[in-house]
Amino acid sequence: NAGVTQTPKFRILKIGQSMTLQCTQDMNHNYMYWYRQDPGMGLKLIYYSVGAGITDKGEVPNGYNVSRSTTEDFPLRLELAAPSQTSVYFCASLFGTAEAFFGQGTRLTVV
Amino acid sequence: AQSVTQLGSHVSVSEGALVLLRCNYSSSVPPYLFWYVQYPNQGLQLLLKYTSAATLVKGINGFEAEFKKSETSFHLTKPSAHMSDAAEYFCAVSDLGTGNQFYFGTGTSLTVIP
Repeated sequence: NAGVTQTPKFRILKIGQSMTLQCTQDMNHNYMYWYRQDPGMGLKLIYYSVGAGITDKGEVPNGYNVSRSTTEDFPLRLELAAPSQTSVYFCASLFGTAEAFFGQGTRLTVV
Repeated sequence: AQSVTQLGSHVSVSEGALVLLRCNYSSSVPPYLFWYVQYPNQGLQLLLKYTSAATLVKGINGFEAEFKKSETSFHLTKPSAHMSDAAEYFCAVSDLGTGNQFYFGTGTSLTVIP
């Protein structure tokens, strides 16, 4: 049981480049989330999804896009990378009121 | 709206001493409260959760937390700190409403001194 899998683990982007952070869960969870974690700031919600085909903005959605074509996958897209998007990104999934499971994170640096 | 305040971004305790990490919440509805732990270069792992059952919640690794509605608090404690407890701890609140959104505090880094 792999849980929540994020790829890549590390990435360096140049300003203006684009990339997709992948997130896959094999627990058939309906809820999925993307967070960013910055030092001293805790975790901020970027986007979330309550099921396939349904997504919504969180606290800090600007500069990001998501899609949810299947229950398992919830990719996060950065279209025009900016230094302010340097962060650690976590994907999580949840079923009902149960425990939220987190991926190992993607450490992104924009230079 | 939900929010969480964690008092003290850094806490140091001696090995064997009491661990107390503070969390106060704000919620317009009965909250669900959580403590997560993050070890270096890892994702977050659930320590314990309060979901309106018993107010004293026991979690993994000897941690427990008490929900106090009158104080809007959910402090995390452990009677005797171990070196392996050194990590970042996050308190989170959710109303399990639209999107089951979680709102995290800014975290408390726990250092255990040998």
